[in-house]
Amino acid sequence: AQSVTQLGSHVSVSEGALVLLRCNYSSSVPPYLFWYVQYPNQGLQLLLKYTSAATLVKGINGFEAEFKKSETSFHLTKPSAHMSDAAEYFCAVRVEGYQKVTFGTGTKLQVIP
Amino acid sequence: DAGVTQSPTHLIKTRGQHVTLRCSPISGHKSVSWYQQVLGQGPQFIFQYYEKEERGRGNFPDRFSARQFPNYSSELNVNALLLGDSALYLCASSPRGTRDTDTQYFGPGTRLTVL
Repeated sequence: AQSVTQLGSHVSVSEGALVLLRCNYSSSVPPYLFWYVQYPNQGLQLLLKYTSAATLVKGINGFEAEFKKSETSFHLTKPSAHMSDAAEYFCAVRVEGYQKVTFGTGTKLQVIP
Repeated sequence: DAGVTQSPTHLIKTRGQHVTLRCSPISGHKSVSWYQQVLGQGPQFIFQYYEKEERGRGNFPDRFSARQFPNYSSELNVNALLLGDSALYLCASSPRGTRDTDTQYFGPGTRLTVL
């Protein structure tokens, strides 16, 4: 079975500070990993995805994530937070051969001016 | 190009009623997936359809059913509604659905409230 754990349901950062959102996965086979962002009352937008190519994945809006197999992690980072980054972020996993995408419980990012 | 569209945006039902939610995928996409997102939680996978056939099912009771039409649009049906069915129902489309690396594009969701 596949699963993801997002550490910290709420994260607050100052505008201009580093953003670090944590995600650890569990999978018995090599996973495909995703980060999505959800703004209030909206659907999910894909930020980036890992599909077994480069371990450092760059996404939209300046976000990136690094796949670390030894740590079973796929943390999301952004060097400098912007007010518009305030949203809820979801880590998700999918494994080869299965259609089901499993989402984490989400991390709400607050950006303080 | 239009993204994934869902209708209605909001609806309110009472316990025991039936509801039908609709989804139109991005033009050219042949796969549709449905997710339930309860307030404060991540989306939970309900179904995936590809080429009008069910290709995946999550841990939901038989009260939940879906179908996909020849134009690749989809309906999600929920019978005998319970209070716990109150949630945001998200539809996602992808080009093929058989490729694990395919990106799923999500619609804005339908907010269902069961009273």
